[in-house]
Amino acid sequence: ILNVEQSPQSLHVQEGDSTNFTCSFPSSNFYALHWYRWETAKSPEALFVMTLNGDEKKKGRISATLNTKEGYSYLYIKGSQPEDSATYLCAFYSGGGADGLTFGKGTHLIIQP
Amino acid sequence: DAGVIQSPRHEVTEMGQEVTLRCKPISGHNSLFWYRQTMMRGLELLIYFNNNVPIDDSGMPEDRFSAKMPNASFSTLKIQPSEPRDSAVYFCASSPFRSSGNTIYFGEGSWLTVV
Repeated sequence: ILNVEQSPQSLHVQEGDSTNFTCSFPSSNFYALHWYRWETAKSPEALFVMTLNGDEKKKGRISATLNTKEGYSYLYIKGSQPEDSATYLCAFYSGGGADGLTFGKGTHLIIQP
Repeated sequence: DAGVIQSPRHEVTEMGQEVTLRCKPISGHNSLFWYRQTMMRGLELLIYFNNNVPIDDSGMPEDRFSAKMPNASFSTLKIQPSEPRDSAVYFCASSPFRSSGNTIYFGEGSWLTVV
């Protein structure tokens, strides 16, 4: 059973502040690490798919880093806005015949105006 | 493109009833996934199809659950008989790729409540 952990489970951040949270995953048999953003009653939306150790990806005010050797990824949000409120999910893919993603339970982010 | 379309969006049913959830993947995508979201366990893969063929159904919880993909544009997930512990959000997702090494695209989910 693959273990994907996200922390913290929930997070309250003041509007305008920057924040980050963590996804940890198995450091062996790594193929890809996904980040999704999910607003309740909407489709989870893909943010990043990262495959290389040391990868850094950016989309607007959101960025992510990847360390496959130690098995963690950070998601950063700069200058949080109320529309950033959502659950952020990371998912690990090991390849090798396992075709589905193993998801963490998510970090529920609430931006307070 | 309309994206992955799921129906119904919400369903409330009584214990013991049959539930059928439907999914239309994005046109041209040859991989389709059914996931279940619960507070306790997060998002779990139930079953994965590639070119309409079930490849991995190891996540299907028990015999009460079944899934079919009769053609490239339609899939169903059926629960018979339903139980209160089946209450969850059921997501369908599709991908143009064979594996999950690339982005997969989710529908908005079917919110199921079994009372």
